[in-house]
Amino acid sequence: QLQLQESGPGLVKPSETLSLTCSVSGVSVSDSRYYWAWIRQPPGKGLEWIGNLDYSGTTYYNPSLKSRVTIFVDTSKTQLSLILNSVTAADTAVYHCARRRGGTSQIDQWGQGILVTVSS
Amino acid sequence: QSALAQPASVSGSPGQSITISCTGTSSDIGTYNYVSWYQQYPGKAPKVMIYDVNNRPSGISDRFSGSKSGNTASLTVSRLQAEDEADYYCCSYTTSSTWVFGGGTKLTVL
Repeated sequence: QLQLQESGPGLVKPSETLSLTCSVSGVSVSDSRYYWAWIRQPPGKGLEWIGNLDYSGTTYYNPSLKSRVTIFVDTSKTQLSLILNSVTAADTAVYHCARRRGGTSQIDQWGQGILVTVSS
Repeated sequence: QSALAQPASVSGSPGQSITISCTGTSSDIGTYNYVSWYQQYPGKAPKVMIYDVNNRPSGISDRFSGSKSGNTASLTVSRLQAEDEADYYCCSYTTSSTWVFGGGTKLTVL
């Protein structure tokens, strides 16, 4: 059974780098049937797509974050990672990793999410 | 990219039907049938209710249905139940090979 579990620091200082990982169990991240995404939600606000990665490692990013974000898979193919540079208070959010079925718009699996607060 | 436009809130009485609109542009909803809808309870992860405009995943009640006309997609919830009270988000693929969410709609069951 697929499980997605986000982990990382809950507090990051302004101007520093946010680094999160998503442990994927039950399916390989290199399975060509799926795409892997990071999605965030500021407290009390809506969902924002950060970016996704396909089975070949090709990435697509939200244009508003593109200059600061990197998504990649570790060599073990079991962890999805998110790097967000030069964070500000506006990056405070619950960050979710998620799986989308290829060839569809269905994001069918979500991690529970991790709250990251940007504050000094 | 701008968020898709959704009403901030809708409401209905048990047994009634409601429709939530999601308005985009010719660069997203108007071009692709890759529109999905998500239900989210407070403090929980979103759950897909509709994908590819009008498809229901296994296990989702047939009270939920989706449609699209031009640049606007819609989610209809029929025979409203108290458990339907939640936030709902639409999502669309774009011509830039990215995805964009709507701002979200709070559904209140009166």
